[in-house]
Amino acid sequence: EIVLTQSPATLSLSLGERVPLSCRASENIIRDSVAWYQQKPGQAPRLLIYDASSRATGIPDRFSGSGSGTDFTLIISRLEPEDFAVYYCQQYADSPFTFGPGTTVNIK
Amino acid sequence: EVQLVESGGGVVRPGESLRLSCAASGFRFDDFGMHWVRQAPGRSLEWVSGLSWNGRSTGYADSVKGRFTIARDNAKSLVYLQMNSLRVEDSALYYCTKAVGGLYSGSHNWGQGTLVTVSS
Repeated sequence: EIVLTQSPATLSLSLGERVPLSCRASENIIRDSVAWYQQKPGQAPRLLIYDASSRATGIPDRFSGSGSGTDFTLIISRLEPEDFAVYYCQQYADSPFTFGPGTTVNIK
Repeated sequence: EVQLVESGGGVVRPGESLRLSCAASGFRFDDFGMHWVRQAPGRSLEWVSGLSWNGRSTGYADSVKGRFTIARDNAKSLVYLQMNSLRVEDSALYYCTKAVGGLYSGSHNWGQGTLVTVSS
């Protein structure tokens, strides 16, 4: 199975900062089949990005995704108060579809 | 509005079975793949299983293969997860999700989850 590694595990940041979150795959992911999700405590995850760079419905344009092959990135251009959460990447190119361990974005 | 409502969770002993159901509404059900994703307390997300719009293509996590079976009833807009030979490590909140498109796509919409606890 494809193993996803997310780095860093935790980030402490200030409002307005630009945040790059990394997701690295153990093997090549075809068709850019990567999604990014945001999860807040006590809530179900929310899809942010699919197919590596397509924003889901209703997602603000400060969220963007990029990457191909084994390296993918979610960028939050300017941190807002509601962006402090855990972010997960997922690959769905090859079953079993796997998630990364997550990156927690905290308030500094 | 898309709605996904899971049911069927509960407390069972190791080796027992449970069947989870997910009632879907607010979209054309037979146009989309569906998934089950679980999350143990304080842990990451784990994809459990998924199936195509017609149920003919399915996939399973290695940890559940041979024990869990996913199915759907397009006439009733329902997805099921039959879980047999349950283990303590299967304890988690189980989410039903609607795929972005077919089976090989991300999870666009999520239910609120149903809790499964396996304990002796």
